[in-house]
Amino acid sequence: DTGVSQNPRHKITKRGQNVTFRCDPISEHNRLYWYRQTLGQGPEFLTYFQNEAQLEKSRLLSDRFSAERPKGSFSTLEIQRTEQGDSAMYLCASSLGPFREQYFGPGTRLTVT
Amino acid sequence: TQLLEQSPQFLSIQEGENLTVYCNSSSVFSSLQWYRQEPGEGPVLLVTVVTGGEVKKLKRLTFQFGDARKDSSLHITAAQPGDTGLYLCAGAEDKVIFGPGTSLSVIP
Repeated sequence: DTGVSQNPRHKITKRGQNVTFRCDPISEHNRLYWYRQTLGQGPEFLTYFQNEAQLEKSRLLSDRFSAERPKGSFSTLEIQRTEQGDSAMYLCASSLGPFREQYFGPGTRLTVT
Repeated sequence: TQLLEQSPQFLSIQEGENLTVYCNSSSVFSSLQWYRQEPGEGPVLLVTVVTGGEVKKLKRLTFQFGDARKDSSLHITAAQPGDTGLYLCAGAEDKVIFGPGTSLSVIP
């Protein structure tokens, strides 16, 4: 296994469009996390899964954001009706469990024009 | 709300110099982690500290955890251009809360 992968690496979209990102975690990891990072800032927690169950969602996450992990393997993050403020790097991480090391993917950079 | 602060925000030094970056938390986490992130990549874990007063060394990097477990420092000896990157401290509970980072640039 080569680590956490994310697709696409870059996405440019027009305001108002919907976008979907995919994360493939390390295969035996049952925890999967999504973060958002803007330039010059640390990653900001969005949500996480234990297998297929979404255990927590940040209060900062608007209703336009939804994440799924249908079979407890890969995960998708969808943003509906994108806004310019959604422009950021979206990072995915996975771990073997709580309090275990998180391994990050390379991120998907979203630009909303 | 658990918050982490880091200082300085930016640091530019010459190759061979020593430096220290700091992390302060508004509360106690189960553990504190330090990550390094290069442009266009995800953060990579450098170390996890758990016990108050703990000191860990990773080659030229020395990590210290405060006795009260609410502050930490990262000291780099004889910095090299390869050390350039964003250094993030993070509080680890069931999820990880990141500080804003220190952007380090080491000039050859």
